[in-house]
Amino acid sequence: EVQLVESGGGLVKPGGSLRLSCAASGFTFSSYSMNWVRQAPGKGLEWVSSISSSSSYIYYADSVKGRFTISRDNAKNSLYLQMNSLRAEDTAVYYCARVSYRAWGQGTMVTVSS
Amino acid sequence: DIVMTQTPLSSPVTLGQPASISCRSSQSLVHSDGNTYLSWLQQRPGQPPRLLIYKISNRFSGVPDRFSGSGAGTDFTLKISRVEAEDVGVYYCTQATQFPYTFGQGTKLEIK
Repeated sequence: EVQLVESGGGLVKPGGSLRLSCAASGFTFSSYSMNWVRQAPGKGLEWVSSISSSSSYIYYADSVKGRFTISRDNAKNSLYLQMNSLRAEDTAVYYCARVSYRAWGQGTMVTVSS
Repeated sequence: DIVMTQTPLSSPVTLGQPASISCRSSQSLVHSDGNTYLSWLQQRPGQPPRLLIYKISNRFSGVPDRFSGSGAGTDFTLKISRVEAEDVGVYYCTQATQFPYTFGQGTKLEIK
């Protein structure tokens, strides 16, 4: 069974940092591109970042470019999102999702507030 | 960026009746590889999104056949032939033809 489990969310002050993790199981993680997608409270879905299977190709939404860094460790079947210079508008549930959105995690909540 | 526009934003439907959601993109979603990367997602209350339809009209594994997708180019439709209580939630169209990937605003399906 394909499973994606996010962790690392929490409450952080504006300007602070957080590192999200996504542990993958049930499929050959190293063969698939991965995405981070977020959803602000009561709002719709927003794509954040994508990384190819070998990390050769990386893309970001303009809203996070220069502040967030996506990475992966295929040996550990894990996806990461390093979030720096956090703002109130980054408050959201962050989901990791496999390429083409065929699998999603349950999400981890990030709250940016003083 | 490709803008995805869904209509309606809210759809009250009677159980057993059909429902239809439209999605229009601001530019063609035909990729240079010939595929059209238009998908439909369902998000039930309190749940993460779930893939229903990929590449316009392909039902994902486990998705009931009352869900169908159609369209081409910039105009796409999700249809539910007979709405059931478990279909309540928000439906999103999304494109993965060009970065940045984008989503429609979401259509809330509710039972009358």
